Amino acid sequence: AQSVTQPDIHITVSEGASLELRCNYSYGATPYLFWYVQSPGQGLQLLLKYFSGDTLVQGIKGFEAEFKRSQSSFNLRKPSVHWSDAAEYFCAVGPSYNNNDMRFGAGTRLTVKP
Amino acid sequence: EAGVAQSPRYKIIEKRQSVAFWCNPISGHATLYWYQQILGQGPKLLIQFQNNGVVDDSQLPKDRFSAERLKGVDSTLKIQPAKLEDSAVYLCASSLVSEPNSPLHFGNGTRLTVT
Repeated sequence: AQSVTQPDIHITVSEGASLELRCNYSYGATPYLFWYVQSPGQGLQLLLKYFSGDTLVQGIKGFEAEFKRSQSSFNLRKPSVHWSDAAEYFCAVGPSYNNNDMRFGAGTRLTVKP
Repeated sequence: EAGVAQSPRYKIIEKRQSVAFWCNPISGHATLYWYQQILGQGPKLLIQFQNNGVVDDSQLPKDRFSAERLKGVDSTLKIQPAKLEDSAVYLCASSLVSEPNSPLHFGNGTRLTVT
């Protein structure tokens, strides 16, 4: 069964600094990979997704992620963090055929220092 | 377009009581999901509906949890009787279809506290 590991429970960065959130997955076939963001008291919002093709995918809010099959990773990056990016970030992996097998990581909480 | 609506936003009950949550998905979305998100964890799927039929309820604790989507639109999730470990945020999500290229749209969730 597929699984996702987000090694960092909590990350703090200064506003304007770059950001990288790590995600490692375990899946036997070609995975579908997702990053979601959850602001306090809100539901999850899709930032970006990878299905195939170019391994560098662009998302909303200036985020990007790179799929590296050799490292089983799908790290999320942003060149310059804004205070409004403070939230919880979830990586998810799923099969190609149905959303019901999607598995979420435990999340990484991002704090942004002024 | 209007988003996924959930109510109530918060609920506090004592153990062994019952509780129900309501979800209205985005109009036209055939697939509806209920997730349980325990503090410090990612969301875990409880049940998935396709229209008014259950696609997957393998992770639903059926001795105490039940869900229905009678007319293929809105849905209710019920817990009876509640246990302390049911304290969590219950998220409803919907998608146009069930394939991964049809993104999930989440509601704001219902935070349940069982005392």
